[in-house]
Amino acid sequence: DAGITQSPRHKVTETGTPVTLRCHQTENHRYMYWYRQDPGHGLRLIHYSYGVKDTDKGEVSDGYSVSRSKTEDFLLTLESATSSQTSVYFCAIRDPQFRNTQYFGPGTRLTVL
Amino acid sequence: GENVEQHPSTLSVQEGDSAVIKCTYSDSASNYFPWYKQELGKGPQLIIDIRSNVGEKKDQRIAVTLNKTAKHFSLHITETQPEDSAVYFCAAAYSGGGADGLTFGKGTHLIIQP
Repeated sequence: DAGITQSPRHKVTETGTPVTLRCHQTENHRYMYWYRQDPGHGLRLIHYSYGVKDTDKGEVSDGYSVSRSKTEDFLLTLESATSSQTSVYFCAIRDPQFRNTQYFGPGTRLTVL
Repeated sequence: GENVEQHPSTLSVQEGDSAVIKCTYSDSASNYFPWYKQELGKGPQLIIDIRSNVGEKKDQRIAVTLNKTAKHFSLHITETQPEDSAVYFCAAAYSGGGADGLTFGKGTHLIIQP
């Protein structure tokens, strides 16, 4: 599992509420990523980080924000959750030994009612 | 941006036969092509990858081939076993020293029939 944990693993929330998902890594990797997975769409990049306080947008960043105040933690926040954000969210890290080799966490299943 | 197409969406093969999954990509600058296997309820697991300076790579029963001219790459699984049943994803990225997020295909559900 490349030393990646995600919390919570499952969450049900209501439309309009804020939600924060956490990704924690134990290997001190510089690069971290958030993807969402939906049926028929594969995995799509939401945001990524290339260091503490250094983040950038991915393909589907609207409605999401991220923060990285420590190397080991990368937080994904839905400021006001919508039903279209019901998805499985995966965090990934990139192995510095092999450029682009990404390893994924176990995922968080989020349901927005 | 990059676009990755993956076919077929579902593949059913008899145990012991071979399985082939194909992907095409649009950005000629992409130079890194991983394959992931995802079992139900788990995160994607990297099974093999190839970089654009190599045409083929093998790891036991799994192989990946890359045709840069045609911009397509394929996953080959030989002597399939029940534990090969899963969803497989291809991906592409440009490895240029930046953050380089992956662009994924939509996945292939591989079913191994006993």
